[in-house]
Amino acid sequence: DAEITQSPRHKITETGRQVTLACHQTWNHNNMFWYRQDLGHGLRLIHYSYGVQDTNKGEVSDGYSVSRSNTEDLPLTLESAASSQTSVYFCASSESLEGRYGYTFGSGTRLTVV
Amino acid sequence: SQQGEEDPQALSIQEGENATMNCSYKTSINNLQWYRQNSGRGLVHLILIRSNEREKHSGRLRVTLDTSKKSSSLLITASRAADTASYFCARKDGANSKLTFGKGITLSVRP
Repeated sequence: DAEITQSPRHKITETGRQVTLACHQTWNHNNMFWYRQDLGHGLRLIHYSYGVQDTNKGEVSDGYSVSRSNTEDLPLTLESAASSQTSVYFCASSESLEGRYGYTFGSGTRLTVV
Repeated sequence: SQQGEEDPQALSIQEGENATMNCSYKTSINNLQWYRQNSGRGLVHLILIRSNEREKHSGRLRVTLDTSKKSSSLLITASRAADTASYFCARKDGANSKLTFGKGITLSVRP
């Protein structure tokens, strides 16, 4: 069965370190998204991609970067982790720009920056 | 910034009762979607309603959309303890735009 997987599920890192969160989907979806979820803020879009070599900034992109070298993967990199980036991160993918079928979400990565 | 505002923020009901959750927004939409999130899990897509639709059903779920009031409601009939979760509305402004999520509604269904 097709799926979208995130790794690791939990990560503790130190302030200033570079961290990469993985997202891999086997749905063959062109569109992929990274959100962070924080109490009181709901889900906020970090970066997104509409296809290979395409990346775009979302509303909270500062301190984050992504790259899209193939259809299946959209890794999220925190260039220099800060305590404000402690959060739960969700990757999602969708079949069409119309979003007719909604987004498919991964199970999330809980990141703690100490 | 989020513009999907859900109401109430939290809802507690008895098993078997109906649960009604509301979502309001400020801009024109292409479609509006509802998602469920169980504790510690990712979001799961429940239902999508387009701007030219007024009502959709899926099993025990009923979604309505009033574009004149810029609001949507999600009704879960005959609730079950397994419906306990957070529910999010998400709006899609244009055909090529991203989803913008609200802050969510916490539903507790007491057995």
